[in-house]
Amino acid sequence: ETGVTQTPRHLVMGMTNKKSLKCEQHLGHNAMYWYKQSAKKPLELMFVYSLEERVENNSVPSRFSPECPNSSHLFLHLHTLQPEDSALYLCASSQEADTQYFGPGTRLTVL
Amino acid sequence: DAKTTQPPSMDCAEGRAANLPCNHSTISGNEYVYWYRQIHSQGPQYIIHGLKNNETNEMASLIITEDRKSSTLILPHATLRDTAVYYCIVRPSNTGFQKLVFGTGTRLLVSP
Repeated sequence: ETGVTQTPRHLVMGMTNKKSLKCEQHLGHNAMYWYKQSAKKPLELMFVYSLEERVENNSVPSRFSPECPNSSHLFLHLHTLQPEDSALYLCASSQEADTQYFGPGTRLTVL
Repeated sequence: DAKTTQPPSMDCAEGRAANLPCNHSTISGNEYVYWYRQIHSQGPQYIIHGLKNNETNEMASLIITEDRKSSTLILPHATLRDTAVYYCIVRPSNTGFQKLVFGTGTRLLVSP
C-alpha cells in the first residue's frame, strides 16, 4: 500500500466509448503524474501536474485529457481511443520533485 | 534514453542475498541513483535511493562505488515475493519535474 489508489483496476472499452481513470493520493503530495506502460515497453511519462497546474505534456494525443481538480485527485479522461492505446496506466505522486510513489495501475483494453 | 545498464536477468535462491548491479558511468555530480521494482502488472514500487553514501532501509541496501559509476542493490534475504523486475534509475537532484526514465531493468527470479 503506497498511499496512491487508482480506479478502476481493469477497464475494457470500445473505440467509441468515453471513460475516465481516477487516481487519489493520501500522502499530502503536491505533484501528480500519469504514465503509460505498453506491453514489452518501458514506462512513458504522459502528464505532470504541480499544484493542480499542468507542467508537462509529453506530446500525448488529444484523445487523452487529464484533469487535476485538487492536489489529491487526478483524472485521465479517455475518448475515441484506439486498440494500440491498450496498456497499463499508472499514476504517481511526489512532494515537489522528490521521490515518486506509484499506484497499482489501471489495465486498459480497447476493443 | 536510459542512462543505466543492468543485466537482463538474475536468479537467486530463497533466503540468500540478491546482489543486483547497475552501471551508470555517465552519472553527473547532482544525480541520484534510484531503485524501483515492478511485480508483474503492478505499479513500480520505490525501494531506495542515494547520492554518494551507502544507504540502508527496511527493504534493501544500496552500495555506491566511490567514483559513483556503478552501484549494487542488495536484498539481504531474498524471498519468493521479491521476484520482480528491478529498475536502476539516475535522476537529477535539482528542482524541476524530471521524468523517471525506466530502462528494461533486471528480471530477478527467486527460487525455492
